[in-house]
Amino acid sequence: EAGVAQSPRYKIIEKRQSVAFWCNPISGHATLYWYQQILGQGPKLLIQFQNNGVVDDSQLPKDRFSAERLKGVDSTLKIQPAKLEDSAVYLCASSYSSGGSYTGELFFGEGSRLTVL
Amino acid sequence: GENVEQHPSTLSVQEGDSAVIKCTYSDSASNYFPWYKQELGKGPQLIIDIRSNVGEKKDQRIAVTLNKTAKHFSLHITETQPEDSAVYFCAGQLIWGAGTKLIIKP
Repeated sequence: EAGVAQSPRYKIIEKRQSVAFWCNPISGHATLYWYQQILGQGPKLLIQFQNNGVVDDSQLPKDRFSAERLKGVDSTLKIQPAKLEDSAVYLCASSYSSGGSYTGELFFGEGSRLTVL
Repeated sequence: GENVEQHPSTLSVQEGDSAVIKCTYSDSASNYFPWYKQELGKGPQLIIDIRSNVGEKKDQRIAVTLNKTAKHFSLHITETQPEDSAVYFCAGQLIWGAGTKLIIKP
């Protein structure tokens, strides 16, 4: 079974530029998550999708971050304009859980490392 | 808001010894308590989890204990091996612990 796919693995941009990350979850997984992991810290949930609807985006900086999950499968996370403090690894995860609650194993991709100069 | 505190931040143990990592949470409504292991350059991977109706769960050398009254849960690794070296996270719903870097000394 294929795991969670993410791209690109690495991205370097200048501040105020834009960037987009793509995630393809495990087939059949209804729930998709985007996390931000700053070096030396634990992952922080940015947004949770249930199929193509948003379950939780309370920690997403909506003035610069946006995410969508078209057709309830792939997802894209965009940052525009980027700031220095956005330098982090952006992790995508998926889970089989269809109830929207946080009570099941998350399967993570390898992440997309963003460096903002 | 939700708060999750994890200790210690670094743990160095001799190969074969046991390691214990503790996590304290603030949300009384929490009912699911997972531990993830993250190796360098990879995404976290679930190693064990426990639900609020159970006090302890074991899986070979790994165990998790839960104290709902004190709002903490702990990860126990026995007979540590070199491949146990990694960063371990306890996870809340929105926020995770800051991680524990486990170093296994040969």
